[in-house]
Amino acid sequence: SQKIEQNSEALNIQEGKTATLTCNYTNYSPAYLQWYRQDPGRGPVFLLLIRENEKEKRKERLKVTFDTTLKQSLFHITASQPADSATYLCAPGGGSYIPTFGRGTSLIVHP
Amino acid sequence: GAGVSQSPSNKVTEKGKDVELRCDPISGHTALYWYRQSLGQGLEFLIYFQGNSAPDKSGLPSDRFSAERTGGSVSTLTIQRTQQEDSAVYLCASSADRGSGNTIYFGEGSWLTVV
Repeated sequence: SQKIEQNSEALNIQEGKTATLTCNYTNYSPAYLQWYRQDPGRGPVFLLLIRENEKEKRKERLKVTFDTTLKQSLFHITASQPADSATYLCAPGGGSYIPTFGRGTSLIVHP
Repeated sequence: GAGVSQSPSNKVTEKGKDVELRCDPISGHTALYWYRQSLGQGLEFLIYFQGNSAPDKSGLPSDRFSAERTGGSVSTLTIQRTQQEDSAVYLCASSADRGSGNTIYFGEGSWLTVV
């Protein structure tokens, strides 16, 4: 069955550093992969989508990579800020796949 | 409306009662999804509607759960004979369609507590 793995432990980093979050998936060949941000008590909010033929995608301080051989996506936030503290979800999808979400990784940026 | 709207935002119900949760998707979006998120857990897929096609009900956890989408717009998720384990946030989302990677927009959720 399809499985998505994200770091279960919270990632604590200092303000100004780069945060790197990992998403691994198995038994999938997704056409794309999306990253979402979720704040406590709120619905997830879309951040970035990367397609299978793209190696890297950038948006402001965010960067996503997609390695279909390793079945892995990395999500980077550069020059992190306390306001970046949230839970980040990855969601492979496309074709016949209903978008399925990982459990998310909690990021805590300390001032 | 500008975004996905869900109601009620909070619902406390007694065990054994039926509840209905409503979702109003973004106008023009043909795809509509329901997910469930228990405290500290990930999003669990429940059901998916695409246009006039038969819904994908593969994620519904039991026959106490059902959903319908009227006129290709508003959707209602019904939970019959609620149990305490049904307590969770029920999230509705919509997108322009599914296959091409259109962004999924989520509502703020309906928080259900079964006591």
